Parts: sequence; structure tokens; C-alpha cells
Amino acid sequence: GENVEQHPSTLSVQEGDSAVIKCTYSDSASNYFPWYKQELGKRPQLIIDIRSNVGEKKDQRIAVTLNKTAKHFSLHITETQPEDSAVYFCAASQGGGADGLTFGKGTHLIIQP
Amino acid sequence: GAVVSQHPSRVICKSGTSVKIECRSLDFQATTMFWYRQFPKKSLMLMATSNEGSKATYEQGVEKDKFLINHASLTLSTLTVTSAHPEDSSFYICSVAPSRDTQYFGPGTRLTVL
Repeated sequence: GENVEQHPSTLSVQEGDSAVIKCTYSDSASNYFPWYKQELGKRPQLIIDIRSNVGEKKDQRIAVTLNKTAKHFSLHITETQPEDSAVYFCAASQGGGADGLTFGKGTHLIIQP
Repeated sequence: GAVVSQHPSRVICKSGTSVKIECRSLDFQATTMFWYRQFPKKSLMLMATSNEGSKATYEQGVEKDKFLINHASLTLSTLTVTSAHPEDSSFYICSVAPSRDTQYFGPGTRLTVL
């Protein structure tokens, strides 16, 4: 089955700086890669996703890049703000709407004021 | 996105009892729903795929007789934890996928087994 590795487990950055979280996956059949943000005790919220036919996607301060050859994808958050503090999870699936997600172990992002 | 609700949000039960958790898709008819489990400060683990009108598909290592899933309608899936034990204490979250891939999660149910 699919295995998703995520690094780092904790990331502390100064407010206004950029944050980068990296994930690798093992199954070359995976073609859908979402990123979720989870605040303590809350549900995971989808923040951005990318499909394997695209190399990069951007939404305001958030961007995701995908390297299919190397089987890794990254989340980039620019101009970080205190409200960006949360746990971020990457995930992978073979898509199709009938496939569950395999999650990475999560990154606790801390924005220092 | 999709609007997903879960009930109850929190439940405390005694060891050996059964607990039922409901997952409702409020604005979308879901032929498929997913159930995940999340231990404290850990990641989400897919438990099973719930299929409307047919048997659920369980992930390796998940006991289907312990975690009973019923998906009787296009808007409701239930997860019953049978003969719960303290090690079953966890955050149980369901999700639906209204588009081809994107999954939206319910608010989760915190289960504590004493």
C-alpha cells in the first residue's frame, strides 16, 4: 500500500517568513495530493490540493509543488501569520472519489510573533 | 465544499459497551463515505470505506466485527464500536468526497472508554 513520509514534524518560523513542509510518497499510482490544516480538537480543513497532471498550484499565500519523478510534493506558505499556526497534514490517494487518503504524520507549524 | 456533520461530538462509555457514531452528508448525496481514526497528537488513519447499499471495505488490521459500518442511505453512515475497550479511545472522523477526489471531513467524535 501507499506510504507517505512528512518532514519536519515541528517547524517554527518568524511571523512574515516562509514555511516549507515536504512529503514523499511510495506508490507511483497515486495521483491526488491534498494538504489539510488541523487546529487542536477540530476537523482537518482542506487548504490546497494538486493532481498529478500539474506541477505547481498556487492560492494566494499558499502553493504546492509536485515532482512525480522523485515522488515528492511540498507545501509553501509565504508571509506567515499567527493564524497559520496549526498542524498540517499531507496526503495521497489514487483518486477517483472512492479512494481513502493515506496521510503523512503531520507537521506542527509554530509562527513566532 | 461539502457540509458534513457527526453525532455525538463527544461520548464517554464504560468498557464492554457499544457506541454508535453517525455521519451525515447534509448537502450532497454520498454513495461513498470514509471513516478515519486519529489518536492524540497522531495522524489520521483510514479505517474503512462505507458504501451505500453494500458492505463496507475495511483496511488491513481493522476488525470488521468490532467496527460495524452501516450506510443505509445516501446521507447517513454509522460506525458502531462494539464491546469498546480503553484502547479504542480516539477521535473518529468521517469524510465525504462530492467531487472526483476532494474529501471534506466531519467535525469528529471524541470517544473515551473508561
